[in-house]
Amino acid sequence: QSVLTQPPSVSGAPGQRVTISCTGSNSNLGAGYDVHWYQQLPGTAPKLLIYGNTNRPSGVPDRFSGSKSGTSASLAITGLQPEDETDYYCQSYDNTLSGSYGSYVFGTGTKVTVL
Amino acid sequence: QVQLQQSGPGLVKPSQTLSLTCAISGDSVSSNSASWNWIRQSPSRGLEWLGRTYLRSKWDNDYAVSVKSRITVKPDTSKNQFSLQLNSVTPEDTAVYYCARQDIKGWFDPWGPGTLVTVSS
Repeated sequence: QSVLTQPPSVSGAPGQRVTISCTGSNSNLGAGYDVHWYQQLPGTAPKLLIYGNTNRPSGVPDRFSGSKSGTSASLAITGLQPEDETDYYCQSYDNTLSGSYGSYVFGTGTKVTVL
Repeated sequence: QVQLQQSGPGLVKPSQTLSLTCAISGDSVSSNSASWNWIRQSPSRGLEWLGRTYLRSKWDNDYAVSVKSRITVKPDTSKNQFSLQLNSVTPEDTAVYYCARQDIKGWFDPWGPGTLVTVSS
């Protein structure tokens, strides 16, 4: 029931810049709700990568950056590293999925491959 | 530093109840600036938020509409933990279940390590 759409995969050579899109609608991103991004290494839990559209938690490299505009958001990885090859998810809030209150929603996920 | 540790069975029979517990260290389940969530992940459904418990002026819960009739998320203040109960499970409930702390502004951090729960006879 993902209401946030991401490309299944993106790829780039080491050192290149890649971007992952997260497309929503007027009931989530377009309604002004923040987007957050997570990185999930194989066999582990998702880890917070970007919060509040553009903010990096302590310890997250500055090659990761986020942006949001209207019904879409993007995660950019600048200077791609081999260890960045894994899965990435966006997350926000949707105000239409649960009747009188909304629901927290995740993107469909994107696999980043380092060529 | 907040840490979450999950416990509970990895195998549940169809029609029975799935029960998991998440123990909190470094924070309080009674915090007014956080909520305590359950999220699951499966190949067919992706990451799916299930529900949460939180204390503001009183204890409250929010649940995803997909499981609302079957789910209970409860705090245990004496043990600083919270639990998930999902009734009447089917094989479609097979997934990795995560507990997670949610900041009042909406992001999930940290997450528990995850528990693979298989629904099978």
